[in-house]
Amino acid sequence: VIWVTQSPPLLSASTGDTVTISCRMSQGITSYIAWYQQKSGKAPKLLISVGSNLQSGVPPRFRGSGSGTDFTLTISDLQSEDFATYYCQQYYSFPYSFGQGTKLEIK
Amino acid sequence: QVQLQESGPGLVKPSETLSLTCTVSGGSLTNFCWAWIRQPPGKGLEYIGYVDDSGRTNYDPSLRRRVSLSVDTSKSQFSLKLTSVTAADTAIYFCARLSGEASRPEWFDPWGQGTLVTVSS
Repeated sequence: VIWVTQSPPLLSASTGDTVTISCRMSQGITSYIAWYQQKSGKAPKLLISVGSNLQSGVPPRFRGSGSGTDFTLTISDLQSEDFATYYCQQYYSFPYSFGQGTKLEIK
Repeated sequence: QVQLQESGPGLVKPSETLSLTCTVSGGSLTNFCWAWIRQPPGKGLEYIGYVDDSGRTNYDPSLRRRVSLSVDTSKSQFSLKLTSVTAADTAIYFCARLSGEASRPEWFDPWGQGTLVTVSS
């Protein structure tokens, strides 16, 4: 089992800020990580796959980076619609596992 | 584009079996793996398992003794059964498609809207 440690659990920021969310894996997963955004009452939405590949329609202010065990999601120039909860997910090996989530709230 | 929709009872009694179905529209079940993920109220996402179009399955070890997934390609549906439920199984249950080839599934996309299942007498 690959354990995923996501931090911080809560992030307070203002519109226009740049924020970073981290995920650390208990073993190397090359770049087999995806990032999701979940808004209240909605299903998660895929933002990034293979560590850094932005999905169609996702603004370029979202950037994924990292490889091996340490990964980051950076959101630049925060917009009002970006305040949500974010999850990372490893798909290197089963059982696939998610980070605990990071709630991004307005300061 | 592919859309998924969960259906099933919203209330299940303790010790009984939770049964949900996911109906897929706008695409075929062929050559993909189809998954269930759940989210307890106010908590994070938990992988339950997947079934591919041939019926091959993969389950999270923590649920393996109680979970069963199946697929009906003729109806464009796949299903989840979870036996001997307790209050700890209360959650929003999502169905999703796993991208990539069936031999190497990857990330979850798209997702159904989710359905809340409460375990209570």
